[in-house]
Amino acid sequence: GENVEQHPSTLSVQEGDSAVIKCTYSDSASNYFPWYKQELGKRPQLIIDIRSNVGEKKDQRIAVTLNKTAKHFSLHITETQPEDSAVYFCAALNYGGSQGNLIFGKGTKLSVKP
Amino acid sequence: DAGITQSPRYKITETGRQVTLMCHQTWSHSYMFWYRQDLGHGLRLIYYSAAADITDKGEVPDGYVVSRSKTENFPLTLESATRSQTSVYFCASSGTSAPQETQYFGPGTRLLVL
Repeated sequence: GENVEQHPSTLSVQEGDSAVIKCTYSDSASNYFPWYKQELGKRPQLIIDIRSNVGEKKDQRIAVTLNKTAKHFSLHITETQPEDSAVYFCAALNYGGSQGNLIFGKGTKLSVKP
Repeated sequence: DAGITQSPRYKITETGRQVTLMCHQTWSHSYMFWYRQDLGHGLRLIYYSAAADITDKGEVPDGYVVSRSKTENFPLTLESATRSQTSVYFCASSGTSAPQETQYFGPGTRLLVL
């Protein structure tokens, strides 16, 4: 089945710097890759996603890139702010029979220091 | 986000007891999911459902039972709770098409098994 590896597990940056989180997946049939942000004590929420027919997608300060050949995708956050501090999860959609389900990475705890 | 709710939000139980966690969504979403979140493991899928009366196992289904008699409800039952089932449980739902739609998470249930 699908396996998603996420690195690093923790990341600390200074406010204003950029942050990059990387994920690799194993199933070449996966074609949907969302990123979720989870603030402390809160529920995960989708922040951006990308499909396999697109190489890059941006939304203000966040962007995601996808390399299908290498089977990896990355989240880029520019001009980081303290409110970006959270745990970020990547995921890949795994097709299992007629249905699919998301396989999540183990998360990256991002700390943005003022 | 208010469209998907979970109850109870906190639960303490003892080993061997049966526990049912409730999930309710008001969007008429076809797909519903149960995840558990443990430190170091990220989000792991327990069970999911594509529609009423259709359920399927996820990554970690052992010790859990689900049912979906109505589209809006997806209860998760721990038949005989064990300490290893101490976790935070999230319910999620997604739109009427395939699971590629955004998954919306409930607020979570913190379960402690003594």
